[in-house]
Amino acid sequence: EVQLLESGGGLVQPGGSLRLSCAASGFTFTSYAMSWVRQAPRKGLEWVSAISGSADSTYYADSVKGRFTISRDNYKNTLFLQMNSLRAEDTAVYYCAKVDPPGYSYGYFGSWGQGTLVTVSS
Amino acid sequence: DIVMTQSPDSLAVSLGERATINCKSSQSVLYNSNKKDHLAWYQQKPGQPPKLLIYWASARESGVPDRFSGSGSGTDFTLTISSLQAEDVALYYCQQYYSPPPTFGGGTKVEIK
Repeated sequence: EVQLLESGGGLVQPGGSLRLSCAASGFTFTSYAMSWVRQAPRKGLEWVSAISGSADSTYYADSVKGRFTISRDNYKNTLFLQMNSLRAEDTAVYYCAKVDPPGYSYGYFGSWGQGTLVTVSS
Repeated sequence: DIVMTQSPDSLAVSLGERATINCKSSQSVLYNSNKKDHLAWYQQKPGQPPKLLIYWASARESGVPDRFSGSGSGTDFTLTISSLQAEDVALYYCQQYYSPPPTFGGGTKVEIK
């Protein structure tokens, strides 16, 4: 069974930084690209970033480019999102998602974590 | 970016009746090389993450009840719940994965009449 467990969310001041983690299990981690998708309070879903299975390619939404960095540790089956220069509009639940089918960097999201809440406020 | 437009924003359907949700993309999401529509549907219940229902526009994810079906091609797609159950009350989203960035529709809220 695929399991994705996010951590690292919390309250941070505007301009601050936060690092999210997502521990994955139940599938061959290196065979799949991984993504972060966020959902602002009472809003819809917004794709944030993706990383290929081998970690040699990364992709970002324009809204976070230059501020967020996605990475992965394929030995520890863990996905990360380093978030710098945070803004109020980054406030959201951040979901870690497995990208299907295997080998696709942009695909559908077959499995999701429970999410971690990031609140940017002074 | 491809814009995904869902309609209606919300709908109320009686138990056992059919619910139909529409999704329109601003450009075709049909990939000529594999003849597949790069379109997925998700269900999200309050306080839960989204759950994949349908991919490739009409392929049902394992474990999803067969009352859920997806149809359409090119730019126009439909998610149908053939006989609405109480547990189907949720938000439903479409998503294209034809062209980066992946984009979602605004969501459709399904309630019981």
